[in-house]
Amino acid sequence: DTGVSQDPRHKITKRGQNVTFRCDPISEHNRLYWYRQTLGQGPEFLTYFQNEAQLEKSRLLSDRFSAERPKGSFSTLEIQRTEQGDSAMYLCASSLRGSPSYNEQFFGPGTRLTVL
Amino acid sequence: GDSVTQMEGPVTLSEEACLTINCTYTATGYPSLFWYVQYPGEGLQLLLKATKADDKGSNKGFEATYRKETTSFHLEKGSVQVSDSAVYFCALYSGGGADGLTFGKGTHLIIQP
Repeated sequence: DTGVSQDPRHKITKRGQNVTFRCDPISEHNRLYWYRQTLGQGPEFLTYFQNEAQLEKSRLLSDRFSAERPKGSFSTLEIQRTEQGDSAMYLCASSLRGSPSYNEQFFGPGTRLTVL
Repeated sequence: GDSVTQMEGPVTLSEEACLTINCTYTATGYPSLFWYVQYPGEGLQLLLKATKADDKGSNKGFEATYRKETTSFHLEKGSVQVSDSAVYFCALYSGGGADGLTFGKGTHLIIQP
């Protein structure tokens, strides 16, 4: 399978705990994106990386959220001191900057977070 | 800022009916436009796209035309099947500032046999 993968697929945690999600993009893709999707809404952009550099962060990304892509391959998204409002599906996508279809993003299956 | 508005769902149709899901947008510059589909239990999949005015994207019998004058990108299919039941998202990419996609809220399509 050469698509975008995410781990875990589901995470249940208690309020106040820290959680970390992982995304593995399509191997040759240099751009990686994180989105959040709540029930009944479309995905909302959180942040993106070009190679290992984090180039943009949405206002939705509070100080409790941090993302890394240390070697320009996989990425992690950490949420500290989770709140019930963080419950959502967290989606990862990747694309290849410099290709004719550079703005075409391929999505992973998502990690569903439930904060109790 | 950029925004996408699409018709509220759910939309319920009988098999072989004609489908139109409306999508209008507000964006700076000349965005690229997309339709993504999310089947039950699966991730988002790109259905079709158009990158400039008057372009028509098409895939799996679905079509959408980039109309700059009306800032619209309506999704159409002449004869829907039960297997088309899914949530459809209209999205745009303007690349100006935030480099993520801007999505609409999604339209849940239900096709009855």
